Formats: sequence, structure tokens, C-alpha cells
Amino acid sequence: EIVMTQSPATLSVSPGERATLSCRASQSVSSNLAWYQQKPGQAPRLLIYGASTRATGVPARFSGSGSGTEFTLTIYSLQSEDFAVYCCQQYNSWPRTFGQGTKVEIK
Amino acid sequence: QVQVVQSGAEVKKPGASVKVSCKASGYAFTGYYMHWVRQAPGQGLEWMGWINPNTGGTHYAQKFQGRVTMTRDTSISTAYMELSRLRSDDTAVYSCAREKLTGYYEPFDYWGQGTLVTVSS
Repeated sequence: EIVMTQSPATLSVSPGERATLSCRASQSVSSNLAWYQQKPGQAPRLLIYGASTRATGVPARFSGSGSGTEFTLTIYSLQSEDFAVYCCQQYNSWPRTFGQGTKVEIK
Repeated sequence: QVQVVQSGAEVKKPGASVKVSCKASGYAFTGYYMHWVRQAPGQGLEWMGWINPNTGGTHYAQKFQGRVTMTRDTSISTAYMELSRLRSDDTAVYSCAREKLTGYYEPFDYWGQGTLVTVSS
């Protein structure tokens, strides 16, 4: 089973600043990596797939990069609605596995 | 538009079973896998398995084999996940999520809102 490790667990950022989130896979997942946004009481939302492709309707301030085992989600100029938990997932092999999540909170 | 609506919260006693439903609309139900994922309090997301609504074929995570059953009713575009022999550590939010049936690697592009299952005596 591929273990996904996210860092940091919590990130405190001021509105308008940039947030950089990391996700590491215990073995290569090629570019089969997705990022999801989770807000309390809401369904997770797909933000990024293929490591760097934004899903439909996702603002351009969300950017994904990386391949293999190291991945990054960058949120440029954080807006109030962006404060949430962000989770990475590999879909390169079974079982599908997720990181523990990074909570982006208001500084 | 695409909607995936799950059944309501459940409270069960240890040893009982729970069956959660996931009703899809706004897309071709048989064109997408339906996965089930759970999240226990304070924990990360845990994948449980999938069902191919077109064939009824299933694939379960090893951890849940023998306890989970995923089914579907194509006439009402609904998928079901039944978990038996419930324990207190099965208390979690259970979500369904679809994956496009392409034969390639795909992400989960739409999720249900989640169903809280509480196991308590």
C-alpha cells in the first residue's frame, strides 16, 4: 500500500498570501495524484488531477506540480473561501490512498 | 447538473449492519465507478472499495473484505454500501464518490455529502 504523507498538518496564512502544501508518496505514483478541498459538512471537491490539471471551475490561483513521489499544491493570494482542509490522493494503484490532510487556517 | 445524494445519518449498535445509499443524477450512472470512502473522527480518508454500476462487479479493500457489500440498482441510479458486524471504530462519515469508467487512471470527480454512521451501545 502506498502511504501518502502531507506536510504541514496545519498552515496559518493571512488572506492574500500564498500557501504551499506538500504531499509525498512512499513510492512513485507517476502523475496520478489528485488534490481535494474539504470543508465541514460539505462533500470533498476535486481541485487538481494529473498532479497539475485544474478541475472544471477551479480558480487559477490553485496550482499543482510534481511527479513521482513529491507533489505541491500552491494557492496564490488566499481568499476567505479557501480556508479549508486539503487532501492529496494517489490513484496509481490499489488501494487508493489519501494523505492525512493539511488544514489551512486564517493567521 | 451532477448530483450524488446520500441517505441520512444512522445510529447502530455493535454487531449490527448498516446500509448507506447514494443516489446519482445528472449523468450516466453506468458510465462511472462508484467508490466508497470513510473518514473516522480526526482521521484521514480511507478507501473501502468500488462497484462498477454497469456490470455489478466489485473490488473491496482487503481490510473490509468479508464485512462490506456494495450493490447497485440501475433502475433508480442508486448505489449501496452495506457494512456488517459493526464495531465502535466503524463510527465515521461514509461517502460515495464517482470515477469515470475509462480503463485508465482517473480521480474521484464528484462526491456525495457524506453519511454519519455512529456505532454505540
